[in-house]
Amino acid sequence: GESVGLHLPTLSVQEGDNSIINCAYSNSASDYFIWYKQESGKGPQFIIDIRSNMDKRQGQRVTVLLNKTVKHLSLQIAATQPGDSAVYFCADRDWNGDDMRFGAGTRLTVKP
Amino acid sequence: NAGVTQTPKFRILKIGQSMTLQCTQDMNHNYMYWYRQDPGMGLKLIYYSVGAGITDKGEVPNGYNVSRSTTEDFPLRLELAAPSQTSVYFCASSRTGQGTNTIYFGEGSWLTVV
Repeated sequence: GESVGLHLPTLSVQEGDNSIINCAYSNSASDYFIWYKQESGKGPQFIIDIRSNMDKRQGQRVTVLLNKTVKHLSLQIAATQPGDSAVYFCADRDWNGDDMRFGAGTRLTVKP
Repeated sequence: NAGVTQTPKFRILKIGQSMTLQCTQDMNHNYMYWYRQDPGMGLKLIYYSVGAGITDKGEVPNGYNVSRSTTEDFPLRLELAAPSQTSVYFCASSRTGQGTNTIYFGEGSWLTVV
């Protein structure tokens, strides 16, 4: 079946550097994408979302890029901080769908 | 500001036992969901509900049952627990299922079946 997946399971960056977390999706009908952050022992928390009619959306220190041609999604975190250490999930949904499809997640570790 | 609250946080079950994971939300959301998360894996949808009295199967419903008698509550029942049900369970809710409606998650329930 179609699924959302991530390129790398782990990512280690130096504090202050920028982080880029990638995600590939395969469902052509997906038109809404979300990035979630999950800290150890907690539930996922919404970070940022993007609709398929956009290719870039910015939040506070975070940017999501969407490339529909190659079905690729990325999350960029500027000036990564120790508090950014977590597992990051991308998820997709059909605009009129009832549920989200989640990838396995990428564990981001920030080194001081 | 409670959001989505689920209990218990941790539970150990013996094979064949039954239990109910409780979930309640105070945001007046129509949609509620139960996901399970196995180690190193993403979230898989077990059941969801689009409103009181309505429930639907997700990707992995076998071995579970749900009910939605009120808008606030969405308990998940495990009948005849099996080791394969060892996982972390997350309850979630959203205002609706469509569009840019963010799904809010509870803190998780760690279940071990031995």
